[in-house]
Amino acid sequence: GQNIDQPTEMTATEGAIVQINCTYQTSGFNGLFWYQQHAGEAPTFLSYNVLDGLEEKGRFSSFLSRSKGYSYLLLKELQMKDSASYLCAVFSGGYNKLIFGAGTRLAVHP
Amino acid sequence: DTEVTQTPKHLVMGMTNKKSLKCEQHMGHRAMYWYKQKAKKPPELMFVYSYEKLSINESVPSRFSPECPNSSLLNLHLHALQPEDSALYLCASRSGTGGEQYFGPGTRLTVT
Repeated sequence: GQNIDQPTEMTATEGAIVQINCTYQTSGFNGLFWYQQHAGEAPTFLSYNVLDGLEEKGRFSSFLSRSKGYSYLLLKELQMKDSASYLCAVFSGGYNKLIFGAGTRLAVHP
Repeated sequence: DTEVTQTPKHLVMGMTNKKSLKCEQHMGHRAMYWYKQKAKKPPELMFVYSYEKLSINESVPSRFSPECPNSSLLNLHLHALQPEDSALYLCASRSGTGGEQYFGPGTRLTVT
């Protein structure tokens, strides 16, 4: 079957670091995406990992281990505007289809 | 340019109306998608077009009818919708050879 798991909610303090984990079991793998989504808005692309390792983009980093079916999104120097839902999604190879996790709602407090 | 545009931004329609949602991208992407998203849920795939051909239809009711006139445009024709079809409709595109998938801003649809 197809399954993507991530925590439902997380809270963190402004200026801190937070790590959002994602584990997946899919029938194929053609890359893993992280999106940020503010309430009422469309998802915004954050990162795309195809190979194992860490991808860094400013305050955001994403890690992938294909052998473990595991990824995380690391957010540094948290700001209030980082309060949003974070969606982990896997492209299931051969079907051109993106499978989403349920999303993690992150609340950043002063 | 990583922009996907969608029109209209908001749409209110009655159950007997016929309307269309439009999506456009000029990134040369050959895969385009329609998703439906309800509040506090992840996007739910409806249709995938690959090289202007419908490659995936996720058992979507026939009151939703997609159309891909050319490689830059994707439409979703709506007819005889139900109130439960009210949602955010998202278009996305991706290079046919892989890579990043980008979403448009969405159309907020309300069916009365």
